[in-house]
Amino acid sequence: DAKTTQPPSMDCAEGRAANLPCNHSTISGNEYVYWYRQIHSQGPQYIIHGLKNNETNEMASLIITEDRKSSTLILPHATLRDTAVYYCIVREGTGGGSNYKLTFGKGTLLTVNP
Amino acid sequence: SAVISQKPSRDICQRGTSLTIQCQVDSQVTMMFWYRQQPGQSLTLIATANQGSEATYESGFVIDKFPISRPNLTFSTLTVSNMSPEDSSIYLCSVGVAGGFADTQYFGPGTRLTVL
Repeated sequence: DAKTTQPPSMDCAEGRAANLPCNHSTISGNEYVYWYRQIHSQGPQYIIHGLKNNETNEMASLIITEDRKSSTLILPHATLRDTAVYYCIVREGTGGGSNYKLTFGKGTLLTVNP
Repeated sequence: SAVISQKPSRDICQRGTSLTIQCQVDSQVTMMFWYRQQPGQSLTLIATANQGSEATYESGFVIDKFPISRPNLTFSTLTVSNMSPEDSSIYLCSVGVAGGFADTQYFGPGTRLTVL
């Protein structure tokens, strides 16, 4: 079962920041938070991941609360092409076998409106 | 990161037949994975395919139905055997890539299968 809770849908205006929340209250100390997105029927695209510090890359920023029980993915200037289902996943960062698999929940459908 | 291709991109098959899906990656990777995404649903892991060992299947998936080959570090195949309409799904392969502080999985574009 997925270890995360996300709102089923969100809307955002084009050019504005999109803030996607994720609750992971049962996260353990060695689990990372990963974000992926899936644009209609394409393969999921990796966005970003983090352990406890905030992370930023060319796509997005990841803000993790101090207690690590929740996080927020921020798309700073959303475009129409960012319309997708966004998945928040917690998983151990390294190692093989079953610890490595990604368990996808239902995610959040972000719709960016013109 | 890794660049992953899948063949075919889509297919329409008849009930009772089998289809083999190929996954090619542009670099050598130890871990490859096969996922299924049924219509309107999220992704579900079918099996983990490590080179040099037999695939490890998740609960609800069996080797007779979904045989997997992993002949080298850049290639894998998934066969969907004795297909029925319930097998109509998108099948995706992914690879695990070691990163600076954690491993990351990258996905192929998927194979859309329709069984009539």
